[in-house]
Amino acid sequence: NAGVTQTPKFQVLKTGQSMTLQCAQDMNHNSMYWYRQDPGMGLRLIYYSASEGTTDKGEVPNGYNVSRLNKREFSLRLESAAPSQTSVYFCASSAGGDTQYFGPGTRLTVL
Amino acid sequence: QKEVEQNSGPLSVPEGAIASLNCTYSDRVSQSFFWYRQYSGKSPELIMSIYSNGDKEDGRFTAQLNKASQYVSLLIRDSQPSDSATYLCAVRQGGAGSYQLTFGKGTKLSVIP
Repeated sequence: NAGVTQTPKFQVLKTGQSMTLQCAQDMNHNSMYWYRQDPGMGLRLIYYSASEGTTDKGEVPNGYNVSRLNKREFSLRLESAAPSQTSVYFCASSAGGDTQYFGPGTRLTVL
Repeated sequence: QKEVEQNSGPLSVPEGAIASLNCTYSDRVSQSFFWYRQYSGKSPELIMSIYSNGDKEDGRFTAQLNKASQYVSLLIRDSQPSDSATYLCAVRQGGAGSYQLTFGKGTKLSVIP
């Protein structure tokens, strides 16, 4: 049981490049989430998917898009990366609206 | 704006002492409350959840909830150096059907041997 997995673990991009962060869970959870964590700002919700086929904006959605590919997978796309998107990105999942389990994170640097 | 407030610390306690971590939240209809521990460079891991007023104990950890005061706390008894981490308070704010957790910025705890 791997729990929540994320790829890649590290990434360096140049301003304007695009990339997709991948997340998968094997806990049969309905809900999945994308957060970013910045020093002094705590964890902030970017997007979430309450169930397969639905996605909703969180606190900081600008500059990001998401796709709930199936029940297991939830991806986060940066279409045109900016230095302000340098952060650590965490994916999480939950059975419903409660306890969330986090993946190991992706450390992204945008130059 | 739904807010969750924590003292950023650092909070330093000697080994074997009780560490007390506090959290306040703004949304009165909040339903669920969580404490996560995050080691440097790692992802948050759940320590405890609490849903009803009062105390909930799990080993050396006790969570306390007071909905009237909009206050939740975490006590760590017999603190160990391995407890040194940042502790995040998270609140599921809003009514039934709300999926969003709001996190505090975390309190950094250092347990001194």
